[in-house]
Amino acid sequence: KAGVTQTPRYLIKTRGQQVTLSCSPISGHRSVSWYQQTPGQGLQFLFEYFSETQRNKGNFPGRFSGRQFSNSRSEMNVSTLELGDSALYLCASSSRRGTNYGYTFGSGTRLTVV
Amino acid sequence: DQQVKQNSPSLSVQEGRISILNCDYTNSMFDYFLWYKKYPAEGPTFLISISSIKDKNEDGRFTVFLNKSAKHLSLHIVPSQPGDSAVYFCAASARETSGSRLTFGEGTQLTVNP
Repeated sequence: KAGVTQTPRYLIKTRGQQVTLSCSPISGHRSVSWYQQTPGQGLQFLFEYFSETQRNKGNFPGRFSGRQFSNSRSEMNVSTLELGDSALYLCASSSRRGTNYGYTFGSGTRLTVV
Repeated sequence: DQQVKQNSPSLSVQEGRISILNCDYTNSMFDYFLWYKKYPAEGPTFLISISSIKDKNEDGRFTVFLNKSAKHLSLHIVPSQPGDSAVYFCAASARETSGSRLTFGEGTQLTVNP
């Protein structure tokens, strides 16, 4: 079956712009989580959506937002981009909520802010 | 506040020998621990997990050990193979309070030399 699909794979944006990243989970998966990976910081949790509702949110400013659609596809948006937002953004999906159900990650979107 | 720490940014071992990757945590609420492997340009792939009610879990060449009193876990790979060369992330969750949220360490780059 198809894995988690993230689009686009690469993106270059200018400071002050806004960006929208997309994630299509594995078919039948209803839980989608987003993580940011920067060098030396590991992966940091952004937010989790389940059944179109945000269930959990990490310690990121309000410029970072997301949503989930009825087909479980999810988008995240970053407004007023800063240089420090340059990172790999990873999406993970699971059939159910809870870390012991196993999360499958997508390959990520590499965002560069110049 | 880095609640999960991987103090070794890199580790190099010979093919056939044992690789030991270490991880420390500070949050006593963590009750489930996972290891992920990540190749460049790909998302993390789940390797093995352990619940806090256990002290060892084994899956083929991979074994995870948990020492709750020391708040320490380790991943053993025996025997190591060149294809194991990747970045390994330790992750933890507090299922009761944080649900699906994973807290990751910074990662350890493992290189297995032929």
